[in-house]
Amino acid sequence: EAGVVQSPRYKIIEKKQPVAFWCNPISGHNTLYWYRQNLGQGPELLIRYENEEAVDDSQLPKDRFSAERLKGVDSTLKIQPAELGDSAVYLCASSLVGSGETQYFGPGTRLLVL
Amino acid sequence: AQSVTQPDIHITVSEGASLELRCNYSYGATPYLFWYVQSPGQGLQLLLKYFSGDTLVQGIKGFEAEFKRSQSSFNLRKPSVHWSDAAEYFCAVLTESSASKIIFGSGTRLSIRP
Repeated sequence: EAGVVQSPRYKIIEKKQPVAFWCNPISGHNTLYWYRQNLGQGPELLIRYENEEAVDDSQLPKDRFSAERLKGVDSTLKIQPAELGDSAVYLCASSLVGSGETQYFGPGTRLLVL
Repeated sequence: AQSVTQPDIHITVSEGASLELRCNYSYGATPYLFWYVQSPGQGLQLLLKYFSGDTLVQGIKGFEAEFKRSQSSFNLRKPSVHWSDAAEYFCAVLTESSASKIIFGSGTRLSIRP
């Protein structure tokens, strides 16, 4: 069975440009998470979906970040415009039920903003 | 506020030697605790988790961890490390009071000396 798929794996953009990341969770997993991992740090949750509903987006910088999971399956995270401080690894994870269940992580998208 | 502390930023051990990675958490009730491993350029993989019951938890790849409520600790151990164990290790806590959000520590980088 395929794991969590993310694309692209790497992205280099100039500041003020838009960027989008895509995630396809493990089949059947209703909960999807987006994390940001800064260099030398652990992942920090940006947003959590249960099916198509965003149930926790308290850490998402809503002035420039947006996310969607229209059909409750794959998801897109967008940054517009990107800033230098957005350089990080963006990780997607999925789980079966939600809280307390094992989260399975994708390989991440490494973003460099110049 | 809930928090996870991994006091060791970087540890180097010889191949075949024993390993213990420290993790301390801050939370009033019994938390759900996790250890994840991240190899370079990869996503996070779950090593083991503690929800309740036996305080000594066995995981994959020969790892184990012990929950000690009195010390608010959940240290990861392995009796004999292999060169392939070189990676970043993250301790994490899931608490109901934080809206079922997993909070990660800042990680411990493990290097293996031949």
